[in-house]
Amino acid sequence: QVTLRESGPALVKPTQTLTLTCTLSGLSLNTSGVCVTWVRQPPGKAPEWLARIDWDDDKYYRTSLETRLKISQDTSKNQVVLTMTDMDPVDTATYYCAGRIGTVGHDAYDFWGQGALVSVSS
Amino acid sequence: VMTQSPGTLSVFPGERATLSCRASQKVSTNLAWYHQTPGQAPRLLIYGAFTRATGLPARFSGGGSGTEFTLVISSLQSEDFGVYYCQQYNDWPRTFGQGTKVEIK
Repeated sequence: QVTLRESGPALVKPTQTLTLTCTLSGLSLNTSGVCVTWVRQPPGKAPEWLARIDWDDDKYYRTSLETRLKISQDTSKNQVVLTMTDMDPVDTATYYCAGRIGTVGHDAYDFWGQGALVSVSS
Repeated sequence: VMTQSPGTLSVFPGERATLSCRASQKVSTNLAWYHQTPGQAPRLLIYGAFTRATGLPARFSGGGSGTEFTLVISSLQSEDFGVYYCQQYNDWPRTFGQGTKVEIK
């Protein structure tokens, strides 16, 4: 059974750096074709795609946020880490990690974490 | 840009629901549909415009290509109410539509 679980702070101050960790269970990040993506969703709004990392360590970023985002993986821990610098109240959202596991060839996410609500406030 | 219509759809249980998604430029069949209920993560329904995700009931069907897409739910069940999002994965960054809320009439 494949599961993803986000962890990180619930509250950060403006200008601080957010670090979120996604732990994958039931499947290795090294598995060919596996991708993990971060998506965020502000309260009451649509999801917004942020970044993706592939099993071969290829990385993709939302262009408008590229200077603030960094995605990486620790295959020994089966974790994907997202950092976002210079946090602002408009970055308040639920942050999801999502996996492309069974839909290889399609960037559609068939496994999702439960989400981590991150508030940005002084 | 992905544009979904209608914004809200009021449907009786057992009725048919048709949701639309329009892309501002062609995305081939690189389109997915998700369903989300309050407090839950989105759940993948359809990918490749018409391929049902594992375990998805046959009452859900997706169609379209290029810029016009539809999701049809043939007979709405109570668990089908919530918000539906389309997502294109033809171009970077991947983008979601603003959602269609399906509510009980």
